[in-house]
Amino acid sequence: DTGVSQNPRHKITKRGQNVTFRCDPISEHNRLYWYRQTLGQGPEFLTYFQNEAQLEKSRLLSDRFSAERPKGSFSTLEIQRTEQGDSAMYLCASSFGLGTEAFFGQGTRLTVV
Amino acid sequence: SQQGEEDPQALSIQEGENATMNCSYKTSINNLQWYRQNSGRGLVHLILIRSNEREKHSGRLRVTLDTSKKSSSLLITASRAADTASYFCATPMEYGNKLVFGAGTILRVKS
Repeated sequence: DTGVSQNPRHKITKRGQNVTFRCDPISEHNRLYWYRQTLGQGPEFLTYFQNEAQLEKSRLLSDRFSAERPKGSFSTLEIQRTEQGDSAMYLCASSFGLGTEAFFGQGTRLTVV
Repeated sequence: SQQGEEDPQALSIQEGENATMNCSYKTSINNLQWYRQNSGRGLVHLILIRSNEREKHSGRLRVTLDTSKKSSSLLITASRAADTASYFCATPMEYGNKLVFGAGTILRVKS
């Protein structure tokens, strides 16, 4: 068990480009979460999966954002037509069970120039 | 929206001193969790306290929970430079389907 893994760690992209991030959760965890964090703020919830089902999406998640978790294993978060306001740290977390402790990855820092 | 609010926003102490951070929340909870985040890194779970618990210890950490006041505190005793980090409280919302975090307290421990 190597913990939650996120790739890439850093991504610099030009405005208007599409980007995709990957998260590999702890293998026995059925719940997977995506959060976004900007400087000086706490993580903001984006979306959540239980196994392969995406059960909730935040209103923060515009139609340019899409997340998948095929086969209930790894997850991807795609941002289309990136904007400068998308620059943030994107954090993935996984947990087993309802309301239990979450294990976070190291995050992907996105910079849109 | 953020459920919890930490206080103070920033705290600077000398190594060896105790650090106390507070968290207030708005709705009823099943449990409350504290996390630490080193600069530019992911969050690390520190401790979980259930709504029927009033106090919990883990090493140099002591957490209290007052559900009547909707508040919690995190005490770090005998602080070390390595404790320098941001500390967040988080509560499960939507029947436990997501954790909602506060804005955090930035702790700086000077050696």
